[in-house]
Amino acid sequence: ETGVTQSPTHLIKTRGQQVTLRCSSQSGHNTVSWYQQALGQGPQFIFQYYREEENGRGNFPPRFSGLQFPNYSSELNVNALELDDSALYLCASSERTGITEAFFGQGTRLTVV
Amino acid sequence: TQLLEQSPQFLSIQEGENLTVYCNSSSVFSSLQWYRQEPGEGPVLLVTVVTGGEVKKLKRLTFQFGDARKDSSLHITAAQPGDTGLYLCAGSWVKTSGSRLTFGEGTQLTVNP
Repeated sequence: ETGVTQSPTHLIKTRGQQVTLRCSSQSGHNTVSWYQQALGQGPQFIFQYYREEENGRGNFPPRFSGLQFPNYSSELNVNALELDDSALYLCASSERTGITEAFFGQGTRLTVV
Repeated sequence: TQLLEQSPQFLSIQEGENLTVYCNSSSVFSSLQWYRQEPGEGPVLLVTVVTGGEVKKLKRLTFQFGDARKDSSLHITAAQPGDTGLYLCAGSWVKTSGSRLTFGEGTQLTVNP
């Protein structure tokens, strides 16, 4: 067990709706990254937060946004959901930015109908 | 765009057989990780390699980092049904921010009893 927890574990939303996913990072870790994993593919980097600031972003549109809180927990928000947003969303925490070892939560399975 | 190619994509073998999974890129990695993922779960870190030519062993798993740090391999000896899962390699490059990982597409391994 990595100590990274995500909620909810499963979620079904309708196209056009908004969703918020949550992540509690491992104790002592100040860097959180979010990944999207479509079925049958490897995870794709969405963005990273370090000390409450966005610290790098992948090739995802602005309707994907995030927050990191003073306790280093994090949220991923997705607006105007599309069918292609259906995926496993993974949160990973690292001891600090610049450390490449990431510890993943169990993920949130989002289904958009 | 930095790409990481993983092969084979699917592998189905009998218990007791040996196998090798490959991870290749045209770019030099600053570090590379191997993860194993079960269905509906997040990836679990197996190993990190950072030095060209490095070899690490984890019980029946042997990980090798290429001398030029552009490729890596995972070799499993005497595979067991419990080794079944999705094996992912993930690289970090010098010019990208610290813990941002680029994943390969994964190798789905099935070990039949």
